[in-house]
Amino acid sequence: DQQVKQNSPSLSVQEGRISILNCDYTNSMFDYFLWYKKYPAEGPTFLISISSIKDKNEDGRFTVFLNKSAKHLSLHIVPSQPGDSAVYFCAAQGSARQLTFGSGTQLTVLP
Amino acid sequence: EADIYQTPRYLVIGTGKKITLECSQTMGHDKMYWYQQDPGMELHLIHYSYGVNSTEKGDLSSESTVSRIRTEHFPLTLESARPSHTSQYLCASSARTGGGYTFGSGTRLTVV
Repeated sequence: DQQVKQNSPSLSVQEGRISILNCDYTNSMFDYFLWYKKYPAEGPTFLISISSIKDKNEDGRFTVFLNKSAKHLSLHIVPSQPGDSAVYFCAAQGSARQLTFGSGTQLTVLP
Repeated sequence: EADIYQTPRYLVIGTGKKITLECSQTMGHDKMYWYQQDPGMELHLIHYSYGVNSTEKGDLSSESTVSRIRTEHFPLTLESARPSHTSQYLCASSARTGGGYTFGSGTRLTVV
């Protein structure tokens, strides 16, 4: 029973265009959401987060949107760059402060 | 600069051997975690610790064991490695108050 789902295992985008990665969750008790980026043979690195009291958080080229009623969040990267090619994990945190991760989306940015 | 260190980065070992994967952090974090990840799959929590002498099993059953004798050190041990243990093992830590995790670079374990 996956509480955090990333239904697209892969996404290809042209350099300079927008990348949109999606994530759905089922547990309404989650109150903090994060995106991590992972290169092969490396550990995940933190990208951006959002609290459940907000619906948008922006950091440079990265913006995360949260739709609590739909239990859906998305990560927008614009403009996409070849160096953004990696696996992106969505994660959610509840009162126990443990992170629950999705299965990841492999983003490939084509030059 | 890495604040959480995992060694070794890569390990190829024969079946039946005992191995210990090292994880150390310099941030003074109370909470530490071990995740297992196979390519294309989600990160599965196998062990966590909320402080010295506190260890718990995670969501994914694992034959490994952990110890937390010092705040900064959270090693994972496999008494008898098997090919099914082949995976990437990721260590992470977080502050007591929550927020995101800081991950190490991982150990890619191959049991032959």
